[in-house]
Amino acid sequence: EAGVTQSPTHLIKTRGQQATLRCSPISGHTSVYWYQQALGLGLQFLLWYDEGEERNRGNFPPRFSGRQFPNYSSELNVNALELEDSALYLCASSLMGQPNEKLFFGSGTQLSVL
Amino acid sequence: AQKITQTQPGMFVQEKEAVTLDCTYDTSDQSYGLFWYKQPSSGEMIFLIYQGSYDEQNATEGRYSLNFQKARKSANLVISASQLGDSAMYFCAMRGAGSARQLTFGSGTQLTVLP
Repeated sequence: EAGVTQSPTHLIKTRGQQATLRCSPISGHTSVYWYQQALGLGLQFLLWYDEGEERNRGNFPPRFSGRQFPNYSSELNVNALELEDSALYLCASSLMGQPNEKLFFGSGTQLSVL
Repeated sequence: AQKITQTQPGMFVQEKEAVTLDCTYDTSDQSYGLFWYKQPSSGEMIFLIYQGSYDEQNATEGRYSLNFQKARKSANLVISASQLGDSAMYFCAMRGAGSARQLTFGSGTQLTVLP
């Protein structure tokens, strides 16, 4: 069974550009979560999607947005990139509903903003 | 709001010894879940262990056990018989209820196992 896949692995952009990151969840999982991990820091929650709807978002500006498609894959868009957006972006999926549902993470997209 | 605190930025342990990684949490939810993840230098997040707030017994998964003290709001990870491959960043995380089902992570503890 395939795990959570993210693309691209690495992405290099310049200030002001837009970045699009993609995530495919584990088959059967309906929830997708996005996290930002700046160098040497913990994971900061960005967005949670379930069944195509945005369920919650973290304390990030509106230029961070995303969506979930009917096949449960998801896209994270970051507009007007700033230098501090450079980070590892991790996507995770789960099958919502169980108390002990754990998140399965992808390997991440390393975004570098120059 | 939920908060996870990990007060040990870095820890060292000798190979084959046990080590405890500290985690305290704060929440107003009655029902919640506590998780530990491992992040090696490769960057992937690996699930280690889960403890539910209503579980009476401490969770165990192989060499990992979770020392859950509900009244003290602590959920420490104990790794027995450390191995060199245990060297990694360890994150404690909490899941709340309702719209707060996303995991809230602590700042992590960098564990180094010495030969």
